Amino acid sequence: GAVVSQHPSWVICKSGTSVKIECRSLDFQATTMFWYRQFPKQSLMLMATSNEGSKATYEQGVEKDKFLINHASLTLSTLTVTSAHPEDSSFYICSARDIGLGTYEQYFGPGTRLTVT
Amino acid sequence: EDQVTQSPEALRLQEGESSSLNCSYTVSGLRGLFWYRQDPGKGPEFLFTLYSAGEEKEKERLKATLTKKESFLHITAPKPEDSATYLCAVGQGGSEKLVFGKGMKLTVNP
Repeated sequence: GAVVSQHPSWVICKSGTSVKIECRSLDFQATTMFWYRQFPKQSLMLMATSNEGSKATYEQGVEKDKFLINHASLTLSTLTVTSAHPEDSSFYICSARDIGLGTYEQYFGPGTRLTVT
Repeated sequence: EDQVTQSPEALRLQEGESSSLNCSYTVSGLRGLFWYRQDPGKGPEFLFTLYSAGEEKEKERLKATLTKKESFLHITAPKPEDSATYLCAVGQGGSEKLVFGKGMKLTVNP
């Protein structure tokens, strides 16, 4: 149980283009999903908290117009990196809470490796 | 400010050599302490949640314990497949967010 998928697992795009990453909870409902960014040999950096049906809450320093988050259903959240630049290259990971469990652990997706050329 | 500190940053063990990883934390209103395992190029895998001092949980060769200031992840007779980065995180009352430590890279040599 508590399986989270991400698509794509890796993507290469040209500078100036936009990229969409999907995060799905496969066997549970998630009113809250989270988006993280991870640089090599570093820990997870929370970018934003995504709540179903409402606007995402971004962490300080994260550009909301650049990283668009949509949480349209209880099983799907998307992160769109707009006008991507090489410095946006990173490992992006989503996570979700299983509201049915009533606990606070987050279940993570496998991550998406973004490379901007 | 909530803080999570993991030590050591890296640890090399021989297969079968037991050890412990430390996670010290400061948080107001602990809403769980969480242990994850992360393999290179993959998302973190959930291991344990601990909620109150004195609580212990076990899974195969891993055992997690919690006090009011720190948590330990004990690894008994590790195998090479236990090699990974182990992450500790805390949840704060009133927030759904988790605060992560920097992680501890464990290497178990055969």
